Amino acid sequence: RKEVEQDPGPFNVPEGATVAFNCTYSNSASQSFFWYRQDCRKEPKLLMSVYSSGNEDGRFTAQLNRASQYISLLIRDSKLSDSATYLCVVKLNTGFQKLVFGTGTRLLVSP
Amino acid sequence: NAGVTQTPKFRILKIGQSMTLQCAQDMNHNYMYWYRQDPGMGLKLIYYSVGAGITDKGEVPNGYNVSRSTTEDFPLRLELAAPSQTSVYFCASRPERVATSAEQFFGPGTRLTVL
Repeated sequence: RKEVEQDPGPFNVPEGATVAFNCTYSNSASQSFFWYRQDCRKEPKLLMSVYSSGNEDGRFTAQLNRASQYISLLIRDSKLSDSATYLCVVKLNTGFQKLVFGTGTRLLVSP
Repeated sequence: NAGVTQTPKFRILKIGQSMTLQCAQDMNHNYMYWYRQDPGMGLKLIYYSVGAGITDKGEVPNGYNVSRSTTEDFPLRLELAAPSQTSVYFCASRPERVATSAEQFFGPGTRLTVL
């Protein structure tokens, strides 16, 4: 079983739509959780951290369910510029801050 | 600040050749990492370093070596290139202590093809 699992997509949505991505992780000792964004042929960049109480950053909302080992990302009012691959990332409780990356969910927003 | 820089951007190697992928950061970060990303796969950790003179293996270290003689530089060496090493290689860094985030800052990547 993969440590971090995501639906690879692609998710094809029109501009203005709301779209949600899910992610599950297998290591119950996972400490922290993040969503990174990766544009085509570019490096990953941090989109947002995910907190137990849920958190929002503009059109983006992240949720964490530790009991179910489940993380989600909701994007409202999708823009063309949101087209990218979204990586679910888990930080393990190790001394060197090991990050475990999911394979990513691809989002395509069309006009 | 230039952030994390990587050279070269692209490289084609023949089987058995050697090369060094360069990585440098100007943010005075202690932690540095090398990842590879294969198509449709998540990033896999090759090697990491927690400071100058200290390196350790990640999940997929076979076929690679690293050194960390300065805080700024973290080169990755491929000694005998094999087709299985065809991949995109990312270098990343982060400061030693960040209270609420584990954000790693990535370089632009090196696309390596071994034929």
